[in-house]
Amino acid sequence: AQSVTQPDIHITVSEGASLELRCNYSYGATPYLFWYVQSPGQGLQLLLKYFSGDTLVQGIKGFEAEFKRSQSSFNLRKPSVHWSDAAEYFCAVGAPGGYQKVTFGTGTKLQVIP
Amino acid sequence: DVKVTQSSRYLVKRTGEKVFLECVQDMDHENMFWYRQDPGLGLRLIYFSYDVKMKEKGDIPEGYSVSREKKERFSLILESASTNQTSMYLCASSPLAKGGNQPQHFGDGTRLSIL
Repeated sequence: AQSVTQPDIHITVSEGASLELRCNYSYGATPYLFWYVQSPGQGLQLLLKYFSGDTLVQGIKGFEAEFKRSQSSFNLRKPSVHWSDAAEYFCAVGAPGGYQKVTFGTGTKLQVIP
Repeated sequence: DVKVTQSSRYLVKRTGEKVFLECVQDMDHENMFWYRQDPGLGLRLIYFSYDVKMKEKGDIPEGYSVSREKKERFSLILESASTNQTSMYLCASSPLAKGGNQPQHFGDGTRLSIL
């Protein structure tokens, strides 16, 4: 069975600084990988996804993520954080061969300070 | 844009009550999901459905049941609510594609309190 680890529960960055959120997965085959963002009081919104091909994936709101098979990682990055990026971020892995079942990480809460 | 609508944002019920959480999607998606979200635990899948009248147990189905009589509607039922079911409940939908390769679209959640 697949699993996802987000080792950082909470991260604080200054506005304008760069950001990297870590995600490690465990799955025996090529995974489908996702990053979602959840603003307070709302549901999850897809930031980006990786299925195959180019290992550097561009998403919405200026985010990108890089799939590294050798490290079983799919870290999310942003070169310059804005105050509106404060939210909780979830990494997820999809299970090939199943009916859309995905496993979510426990989330990383991002705080942005002026 | 896909719209997933959950009938209540906040709900307060008493232990032992039968509770219904409703979810409707407007994009003709085949797959629908119910998750609960708890601090430090992320999202945990309760049930999902890939077709009308079809359902599959997720990781934590105990104490819950579901109903999918129409394609656009997926209901979560707490047969006899208990305090440990106090949580945020999220509904999601996605189009049919085997293999987990379609992103899910989420509703805004129902924060359920069981007293």
